[in-house]
Amino acid sequence: LAKTTQPISMDSYEGQEVNITCSHNNIATNDYITWYQQFPSQGPRFIIQGYKTKVTNEVASLFIPADRKSSTLSLPRVSLSDTAVYYCLVGVNSGYSTLTFGKGTMLLVSP
Amino acid sequence: DSGVTQTPKHLITATGQRVTLRCSPRSGDLSVYWYQQSLDQGLQFLIQYYNGEERAKGNILERFSAQQFPDLHSELNLSSLELGDSALYFCASSAGPEQGGGNTIYFGEGSWLTVV
Repeated sequence: LAKTTQPISMDSYEGQEVNITCSHNNIATNDYITWYQQFPSQGPRFIIQGYKTKVTNEVASLFIPADRKSSTLSLPRVSLSDTAVYYCLVGVNSGYSTLTFGKGTMLLVSP
Repeated sequence: DSGVTQTPKHLITATGQRVTLRCSPRSGDLSVYWYQQSLDQGLQFLIQYYNGEERAKGNILERFSAQQFPDLHSELNLSSLELGDSALYFCASSAGPEQGGGNTIYFGEGSWLTVV
């Protein structure tokens, strides 16, 4: 399983764009990159998934460079409710797979 | 609402006791996962079942066991409980590859276990 490295914590203010970068130097050819969000005492929630280039949904954008050794989750105009832990995961896009969560990035959004 | 249902939501029990946590996956999902989350350990993968068969094992203690039933619901059994077993236990589910599922897994709201 590819190991991921992401900052332990980040601070931001409401209305700002937040970019969280994850390193995954040993990503395999078949691996996808998935980001989850977790609020205290709640289960992690799927945010976005990508394989290469850029993916955008109503919540976030995911930028993946050509070498796929890193990825950046971009949250536009964050609000206080975006304060949460964000996990970057790398794994095979298969229902057989098991996802291993790292420590995640604790994002604190202040007024 | 992820569609994954866990019961009970909260449970307080004494050391040495045994408890069973129950999980109903999203409709049609064949894979069920169990995770443990405590303050000092983060989110730890315990075990995965796929269509009734054990698929992968993580950091699951021998005192813990799980199974997935023909109707696809799953149970996590925790026995000889210790204070350190106090944690939030999550169940998650995902579709199988033949269902067109990817590795997006959907988590329940968790079962809070407190061992006193």
